[in-house]
Amino acid sequence: GQQVMQIPQYQHVQEGEDFTTYCNSSTTLSNIQWYKQRPGGHPVFLIQLVKSGEVKKQKRLTFQFGEAKKNSSLHITATQTTDVGTYFCAGLPSNDYKLSFGAGTTVTVRA
Amino acid sequence: DAGVTQSPTHLIKTRGQHVTLRCSPISGHKSVSWYQQVLGQGPQFIFQYYEKEERGRGNFPDRFSARQFPNYSSELNVNALLLGDSALYLCASSYDLNEKLFFGSGTQLSVL
Repeated sequence: GQQVMQIPQYQHVQEGEDFTTYCNSSTTLSNIQWYKQRPGGHPVFLIQLVKSGEVKKQKRLTFQFGEAKKNSSLHITATQTTDVGTYFCAGLPSNDYKLSFGAGTTVTVRA
Repeated sequence: DAGVTQSPTHLIKTRGQHVTLRCSPISGHKSVSWYQQVLGQGPQFIFQYYEKEERGRGNFPDRFSARQFPNYSSELNVNALLLGDSALYLCASSYDLNEKLFFGSGTQLSVL
C-alpha cells in the first residue's frame, strides 16, 4: 500500500534559524496536505498543494510540491518558539480516498 | 461555530471489552474520517464515511467498525479490546471528499 515517509523525525532548532522537513510518497499523489499538532493537541490543517511544482507561502512557512507529485517540503525561516510542535504531511493517492499521514517531524526550539 | 466534537475525551477499558466512540462533525460537513494515533506516530487511517456510506477502510481488523448517521454524526466501535488498541482516536470532518480535514480533540483510550 501507499506509504508516506517524513524526515527528519526530530528537528532541534536555534531560535532564528531556518529548517526544512521533507516528505516522500511511494505513489503519485493527487494532493498533499500539511498539518501541525501542538503538544497535547490535535492536528490542525496548514495547507493543501495540488499542482505539480506548486509553491505556497504562509508568512515564514514555504510549502512545495514536487514535479512528479510524489514529494513535498516545508521550509520555515527565522524559527520562533511558536513553531514548536509536530508537522505532518498527508498524501492522498491519485486513485484512493485514504489520506495517509507521515510519522511527522517534531520541532523543538532553543531560545 | 462549533468545531468537531468527540466524546468521551478519556476512556479506560479492560481487555476483551468493547467501546463506542462518538463524533459530531462541523455543521454542513458531509464526510467523517476516523484515525488512530499512537504516541510518537502519525495518525493512521481507519475509516472514511461520506453521505452515510463507507468510502474507505484502513488496515485494521474486523473488530473495528463504524457508521455514519443521517445527521452526519458518526460512531466508531471496537470489540474485543486489546492492549495495543490503547491510543488517541481522532475524528475529522470535511465538507466534501478530498478536502482539508478538521480534527476533533480526540478520545484517549487506555486498555488495561
